[in-house]
Amino acid sequence: KNQVEQSPQSLIILEGKNCTLQCNYTVSPFSNLRWYKQDTGRGPVSLTIMTFSENTKSNGRYTATLDADTKQSSLHITASQLSDSASYICVPHTGFQKLVFGTGTRLLVSP
Amino acid sequence: GAVVSQHPSWVICKSGTSVKIECRSLDFQATTMFWYRQFPKQSLMLMATSNEGSKATYEQGVEKDKFLINHASLTLSTLTVTSAHPEDSSFYICSARDPGSHEQYFGPGTRLTVT
Repeated sequence: KNQVEQSPQSLIILEGKNCTLQCNYTVSPFSNLRWYKQDTGRGPVSLTIMTFSENTKSNGRYTATLDADTKQSSLHITASQLSDSASYICVPHTGFQKLVFGTGTRLLVSP
Repeated sequence: GAVVSQHPSWVICKSGTSVKIECRSLDFQATTMFWYRQFPKQSLMLMATSNEGSKATYEQGVEKDKFLINHASLTLSTLTVTSAHPEDSSFYICSARDPGSHEQYFGPGTRLTVT
């Protein structure tokens, strides 16, 4: 069964600090992994997409890593801002049409 | 990135009535669209896959007669919640798949409240 586990479930950090979110998955076959940011009451917005051959990808202050062998990914946020407060969702993709969503990590950046 | 819109952004309806939600891909033609439902503090749950010109494919446990999906054009899919009940109150999100990039783009969501 395809599963995704994210940790921590929730996190509070001070503005300006860094943080790292974790994702473990058992999706098979594996095509690519996406990280989405979902603001409260909004649809998800893609942050990064990585194929199995990519180890790291950055998008501004967001850096995602991928270890396809251990089926782990992380999302590192640098110099957090208040606007980073959102849910961050890890989505490993099988290459077929369906996306398997993790429960997400709820991040609160406090002033 | 590509833009997907939803209308309305929020709706309140009385129990027993039907509500239609529209999903549009604004700058690409989407042969496939997806409908998700999200309850508070939970992950997105796929309800159905909508293919242009054919019947939607529903996920297990989703009542196709209650959640009617129509994908009449390459840029529009609609979800109609029929005979809505308070337990149907949720956040409904669509996504559209760009056939060129194979990327899925999500709409902003529709908040449905059934009173």
